[in-house]
Amino acid sequence: EDQVTQSPEALRLQEGESSSLNCSYTVSGLRGLFWYRQDPGKGPEFLFTLYSAGEEKEKERLKATLTKKESFLHITAPKPEDSATYLCAVRARDDKIIFGKGTRLHILP
Amino acid sequence: EAGVAQSPRYKIIEKRQSVAFWCNPISGHATLYWYQQILGQGPKLLIQFQNNGVVDDSQLPKDRFSAERLKGVDSTLKIQPAKLEDSAVYLCASSLAQWKNIQYFGAGTRLSVL
Repeated sequence: EDQVTQSPEALRLQEGESSSLNCSYTVSGLRGLFWYRQDPGKGPEFLFTLYSAGEEKEKERLKATLTKKESFLHITAPKPEDSATYLCAVRARDDKIIFGKGTRLHILP
Repeated sequence: EAGVAQSPRYKIIEKRQSVAFWCNPISGHATLYWYQQILGQGPKLLIQFQNNGVVDDSQLPKDRFSAERLKGVDSTLKIQPAKLEDSAVYLCASSLAQWKNIQYFGAGTRLSVL
């Protein structure tokens, strides 16, 4: 069964304290892995798409990487405005998209 | 560029009542999705439209949920009758084409079934 597992469920960091969020997946024929940011009361906002192992993408303080079994979202020197829930999703060979439960990130000033 | 519009933002109903949600996608976007997001979980796809045709509705509880997309633009999602477990946020998203393109989400409709 296709599955996406995100860890940790919640993470509290001090401002400037770098860390990584994990997204592990088991899917038949990965056709894309997506990272989204979701703020309270809002819909998810697209961050990155990764298609193949070894691929990396960066945007400001965020960097996403992909291996054959997992993806990491690295956050470098985070600021309070980076506080949000980060969602990972995968698209399988049958084109179905599956979201993980997300990681709630809280950056303390 | 205007984003995906959804209404209402909030809805409270009693179980066994009916409810409908409306979505207006970004202009020119051919693909429209409805997701259900239960508190503390990720979004779950209910139905995907390509223009006004259904591409995937495998996770839509068809005994109580229905959706349509008239003229390939606006869409409505209906629940009839509602159950307690339908309490969730219903998100609409659109993209230029199918999965390869970025999905843009609306703010969602928060449904509480009492």
